[in-house]
Amino acid sequence: KQEVTQIPAALSVPEGENLVLNCSFTDSAIYNLQWFRQDPGKGLTSLLLIQSSQREQTSGRLNASLDKSSGRSTLYIAASQPGDSATYLCAVDSGNTGKLIFGQGTTLQVKP
Amino acid sequence: DTAVSQTPKYLVTQMGNDKSIKCEQNLGHDTMYWYKQDSKKFLKIMFSYNNKELIINETVPNRFSPKSPDKAHLNLHINSLELGDSAVYFCASSQDQARPFGYTFGSGTRLTVV
Repeated sequence: KQEVTQIPAALSVPEGENLVLNCSFTDSAIYNLQWFRQDPGKGLTSLLLIQSSQREQTSGRLNASLDKSSGRSTLYIAASQPGDSATYLCAVDSGNTGKLIFGQGTTLQVKP
Repeated sequence: DTAVSQTPKYLVTQMGNDKSIKCEQNLGHDTMYWYKQDSKKFLKIMFSYNNKELIINETVPNRFSPKSPDKAHLNLHINSLELGDSAVYFCASSQDQARPFGYTFGSGTRLTVV
Protein backbone atom coordinates (compact mmCIF):
# COMPACT_ATOMS: atom_id res chain seq x y z
CA LYS A 1 0.00 0.00 0.00
CA GLN A 2 1.44 3.31 -1.09
CA GLU A 3 2.01 5.87 1.64
CA VAL A 4 3.24 9.42 1.13
CA THR A 5 4.91 11.45 3.86
CA GLN A 6 5.90 15.10 3.79
CA ILE A 7 8.44 16.66 6.08
CA PRO A 8 8.36 19.15 7.68
CA ALA A 9 4.68 19.66 8.45
CA ALA A 10 5.26 23.37 8.82
CA LEU A 11 8.06 25.74 7.95
CA SER A 12 8.62 29.42 8.62
CA VAL A 13 11.45 31.26 6.86
CA PRO A 14 12.48 34.86 6.24
CA GLU A 15 11.97 36.29 2.80
CA GLY A 16 14.76 35.59 0.33
CA GLU A 17 15.77 32.25 1.76
CA ASN A 18 16.13 29.17 -0.41
CA LEU A 19 14.25 26.18 0.94
CA VAL A 20 13.56 22.51 0.35
CA LEU A 21 10.36 20.61 0.97
CA ASN A 22 10.58 16.85 1.23
CA CYS A 23 8.25 14.10 0.09
CA SER A 24 8.81 10.37 0.53
CA PHE A 25 6.79 7.42 -0.73
CA THR A 26 6.89 3.76 0.20
CA ASP A 27 6.36 2.08 -3.18
CA SER A 28 8.81 3.07 -5.88
CA ALA A 29 6.57 1.75 -8.68
CA ILE A 30 5.02 5.10 -9.40
CA TYR A 31 3.54 6.47 -12.61
CA ASN A 32 4.20 10.12 -11.86
CA LEU A 33 4.49 12.57 -8.98
CA GLN A 34 2.85 15.95 -8.82
CA TRP A 35 3.42 18.93 -6.55
CA PHE A 36 0.47 21.17 -5.76
CA ARG A 37 0.00 24.41 -3.93
CA GLN A 38 -3.08 25.12 -1.82
CA ASP A 39 -3.86 28.58 -0.49
CA PRO A 40 -6.16 28.83 2.56
CA GLY A 41 -9.75 28.13 1.58
CA LYS A 42 -8.78 27.60 -2.04
CA GLY A 43 -8.36 24.75 -4.49
CA LEU A 44 -5.22 22.98 -5.62
CA THR A 45 -2.91 24.58 -8.14
CA SER A 46 -0.57 22.26 -9.97
CA LEU A 47 3.05 23.37 -9.74
CA LEU A 48 5.12 20.62 -11.29
CA LEU A 49 4.55 17.15 -12.69
CA ILE A 50 7.39 14.65 -12.87
CA GLN A 51 6.86 11.52 -14.93
CA SER A 52 8.44 8.33 -13.61
CA SER A 53 11.10 8.44 -16.33
CA GLN A 54 12.19 11.97 -15.40
CA ARG A 55 14.60 13.13 -12.73
CA GLU A 56 13.49 16.73 -12.33
CA GLN A 57 11.28 19.52 -13.55
CA THR A 58 11.70 23.27 -13.28
CA SER A 59 9.30 26.16 -13.41
CA GLY A 60 10.58 29.62 -12.57
CA ARG A 61 11.92 29.59 -9.02
CA LEU A 62 10.66 26.06 -8.44
CA ASN A 63 12.59 22.88 -9.05
CA ALA A 64 11.28 19.42 -8.24
CA SER A 65 13.44 16.31 -8.25
CA LEU A 66 12.49 12.66 -8.22
CA ASP A 67 14.50 9.68 -7.05
CA LYS A 68 12.29 6.65 -7.51
CA SER A 69 14.75 4.13 -6.15
CA SER A 70 14.95 5.88 -2.79
CA GLY A 71 11.27 6.87 -2.82
CA ARG A 72 11.93 10.59 -2.53
CA SER A 73 11.05 13.86 -4.15
CA THR A 74 12.08 17.36 -3.18
CA LEU A 75 10.63 20.71 -4.07
CA TYR A 76 13.21 23.46 -4.08
CA ILE A 77 12.02 27.06 -3.85
CA ALA A 78 14.61 29.69 -4.62
CA ALA A 79 14.57 33.20 -3.19
CA SER A 80 11.33 32.72 -1.30
CA GLN A 81 8.74 35.50 -1.22
CA PRO A 82 5.79 36.20 1.08
CA GLY A 83 3.51 35.25 -1.82
CA ASP A 84 4.90 31.73 -1.62
CA SER A 85 3.15 31.24 1.72
CA ALA A 86 0.75 28.32 1.26
CA THR A 87 0.43 24.60 1.84
CA TYR A 88 2.44 22.46 -0.55
CA LEU A 89 1.13 19.00 -1.33
CA CYS A 90 2.96 16.10 -2.88
CA ALA A 91 0.87 13.45 -4.65
CA VAL A 92 1.90 10.14 -6.16
CA ASP A 93 0.11 8.36 -8.98
CA SER A 94 0.83 4.70 -8.56
CA GLY A 95 -1.11 2.93 -11.21
CA ASN A 96 -3.46 2.61 -14.10
CA THR A 97 -6.50 3.75 -12.19
CA GLY A 98 -5.16 7.27 -11.83
CA LYS A 99 -5.58 7.31 -8.09
CA LEU A 100 -3.49 10.04 -6.45
CA ILE A 101 -2.07 9.37 -3.00
CA PHE A 102 -1.44 12.63 -1.18
CA GLY A 103 0.95 13.54 1.56
CA GLN A 104 -0.24 15.59 4.53
CA GLY A 105 1.33 18.72 3.15
CA THR A 106 3.90 21.25 4.30
CA THR A 107 2.55 24.61 5.38
CA LEU A 108 5.02 27.30 4.46
CA GLN A 109 5.13 30.80 5.86
CA VAL A 110 7.54 33.30 4.33
CA LYS A 111 7.97 36.35 6.52
CA PRO A 112 8.69 39.76 4.98
CA ASP B 1 -12.58 29.90 -18.88
CA THR B 2 -12.51 27.84 -15.68
CA ALA B 3 -11.10 24.41 -16.49
CA VAL B 4 -12.80 22.43 -13.72
CA SER B 5 -15.75 24.13 -12.10
CA GLN B 6 -17.74 23.02 -9.08
CA THR B 7 -21.00 24.29 -7.72
CA PRO B 8 -21.84 25.30 -5.13
CA LYS B 9 -18.69 26.66 -3.54
CA TYR B 10 -20.24 26.55 -0.07
CA LEU B 11 -23.01 24.31 1.19
CA VAL B 12 -24.49 24.40 4.68
CA THR B 13 -27.22 21.91 5.44
CA GLN B 14 -28.85 19.99 8.24
CA MET B 15 -28.26 16.38 9.16
CA GLY B 16 -30.44 13.97 7.28
CA ASN B 17 -30.80 16.12 4.18
CA ASP B 18 -29.87 15.05 0.66
CA LYS B 19 -27.60 17.30 -1.38
CA SER B 20 -25.73 17.32 -4.68
CA ILE B 21 -22.49 18.87 -5.82
CA LYS B 22 -21.94 19.44 -9.52
CA CYS B 23 -18.69 19.32 -11.44
CA GLU B 24 -17.93 20.18 -15.04
CA GLN B 25 -14.68 20.24 -16.97
CA ASN B 26 -14.09 21.90 -20.32
CA LEU B 27 -10.65 20.41 -20.93
CA GLY B 28 -11.84 17.48 -23.02
CA HIS B 29 -10.49 15.07 -20.40
CA ASP B 30 -11.75 11.51 -20.27
CA THR B 31 -11.35 10.84 -16.56
CA MET B 32 -12.90 12.66 -13.64
CA TYR B 33 -12.50 12.22 -9.91
CA TRP B 34 -13.93 13.19 -6.54
CA TYR B 35 -11.57 13.76 -3.62
CA LYS B 36 -12.42 14.55 -0.02
CA GLN B 37 -10.29 16.80 2.19
CA ASP B 38 -10.99 16.27 5.87
CA SER B 39 -10.59 18.66 8.78
CA LYS B 40 -6.90 17.77 9.01
CA LYS B 41 -6.45 18.81 5.38
CA PHE B 42 -5.79 15.24 4.26
CA LEU B 43 -6.93 14.55 0.70
CA LYS B 44 -8.26 11.14 -0.26
CA ILE B 45 -9.86 9.83 -3.41
CA MET B 46 -13.51 8.82 -3.35
CA PHE B 47 -14.43 7.98 -6.95
CA SER B 48 -13.15 8.13 -10.48
CA TYR B 49 -14.97 7.81 -13.78
CA ASN B 50 -13.46 7.22 -17.19
CA ASN B 51 -15.75 8.17 -20.03
CA LYS B 52 -18.84 7.70 -17.85
CA GLU B 53 -17.66 4.35 -16.48
CA LEU B 54 -16.90 3.92 -12.77
CA ILE B 55 -13.24 3.02 -12.28
CA ILE B 56 -12.57 3.65 -8.58
CA ASN B 57 -14.94 3.41 -5.65
CA GLU B 58 -12.79 3.84 -2.61
CA THR B 59 -14.86 2.23 0.15
CA VAL B 60 -17.16 5.19 0.35
CA PRO B 61 -20.51 4.78 2.18
CA ASN B 62 -23.29 4.04 -0.29
CA ARG B 63 -24.95 7.28 0.80
CA PHE B 64 -22.53 8.82 -1.67
CA SER B 65 -23.47 8.25 -5.28
CA PRO B 66 -21.56 9.73 -8.20
CA LYS B 67 -23.33 10.29 -11.47
CA SER B 68 -21.67 10.98 -14.81
CA PRO B 69 -24.18 11.93 -17.53
CA ASP B 70 -21.32 12.51 -19.97
CA LYS B 71 -17.55 12.62 -19.80
CA ALA B 72 -17.52 16.36 -19.07
CA HIS B 73 -19.64 16.07 -15.94
CA LEU B 74 -19.32 14.17 -12.69
CA ASN B 75 -21.83 15.02 -10.00
CA LEU B 76 -21.82 13.82 -6.41
CA HIS B 77 -25.07 13.12 -4.63
CA ILE B 78 -25.10 12.56 -0.88
CA ASN B 79 -28.09 11.09 0.93
CA SER B 80 -28.91 11.35 4.62
CA LEU B 81 -26.07 13.72 5.42
CA GLU B 82 -24.16 13.15 8.65
CA LEU B 83 -21.99 15.48 10.73
CA GLY B 84 -18.91 13.51 9.66
CA ASP B 85 -19.56 14.36 6.02
CA SER B 86 -18.45 17.92 6.71
CA ALA B 87 -15.36 18.42 4.58
CA VAL B 88 -14.13 20.06 1.40
CA TYR B 89 -14.91 18.04 -1.72
CA PHE B 90 -12.72 18.49 -4.77
CA CYS B 91 -13.45 17.47 -8.30
CA ALA B 92 -10.54 16.78 -10.65
CA SER B 93 -9.92 15.58 -14.17
CA SER B 94 -7.11 14.09 -16.22
CA GLN B 95 -6.53 13.39 -19.88
CA ASP B 96 -7.40 9.69 -20.05
CA GLN B 97 -5.56 7.08 -18.08
CA ALA B 98 -2.23 8.00 -19.63
CA ARG B 99 -2.35 11.27 -17.71
CA PRO B 100 0.50 12.96 -19.58
CA PHE B 101 -0.28 16.30 -18.03
CA GLY B 102 -1.29 15.20 -14.57
CA TYR B 103 -4.44 16.36 -12.93
CA THR B 104 -6.48 19.55 -12.82
CA PHE B 105 -8.49 20.28 -9.70
CA GLY B 106 -11.55 22.41 -9.13
CA SER B 107 -11.69 25.04 -6.42
CA GLY B 108 -13.60 22.82 -4.01
CA THR B 109 -16.99 22.72 -2.31
CA ARG B 110 -17.00 23.30 1.44
CA LEU B 111 -19.80 21.20 2.91
CA THR B 112 -20.89 21.92 6.47
CA VAL B 113 -23.46 19.64 8.06
CA VAL B 114 -25.12 21.06 11.18
